[in-house]
Amino acid sequence: GDSVTQMEGPVTLSEEAFLTINCTYTATGYPSLFWYVQYPGEGLQLLLKATKADDKGSNKGFEATYRKETTSFHLEKGSVQVSDSAVYFCALTPTNFGNEKLTFGTGTRLTIIP
Amino acid sequence: DAGITQSPRHKVTETGTPVTLRCHQTENHRYMYWYRQDPGHGLRLIHYSYGVKDTDKGEVSDGYSVSRSKTEDFLLTLESATSSQTSVYFCATSFGVYNEQFFGPGTRLTVL
Repeated sequence: GDSVTQMEGPVTLSEEAFLTINCTYTATGYPSLFWYVQYPGEGLQLLLKATKADDKGSNKGFEATYRKETTSFHLEKGSVQVSDSAVYFCALTPTNFGNEKLTFGTGTRLTIIP
Repeated sequence: DAGITQSPRHKVTETGTPVTLRCHQTENHRYMYWYRQDPGHGLRLIHYSYGVKDTDKGEVSDGYSVSRSKTEDFLLTLESATSSQTSVYFCATSFGVYNEQFFGPGTRLTVL
């Protein structure tokens, strides 16, 4: 079945550092890929998405490129801020017939230190 | 953003009592989902609905039931709450199975 493997956390960075959170997936077909962000005490919010190979999703300075050849969708940001402290989830749409659920990674907790 | 509300936002109850959580959406999305989130377990799907009166089980459905009598409302019921059901519960909706999901603010449930 489909699966998502995310970088183990927690991740702690200093403000203005470069961020990469790795996400790789296993799927039989061609899923759409998402990054969600969860700020403390809140629900998940869609951060960005990509629907086909080589698409780049971007939002709020974050970027991720759908790499079919490496089955990856790594999240990057050039200069993080304290306000980026949150939990980040990678997810993909189903590719198996009869499966009607998103597959989520386990989440990566990011803490940015001033 | 999809308009998704959950009620109550916080609840404390005792073991053995029934509890119903409500999810309400204003986006006319076909699909609705209930998840629970626990430390070390990420998000786990409890039940989902693919239309009015159409529901199916997720990976952790034991001890939970759901109902959807209207497009906009999806109810999650714990028939007899147990301490292991202490968690944060999130509702989500989506236009279609291949679309992104939109999440509600969550309900924090404590079973004593």
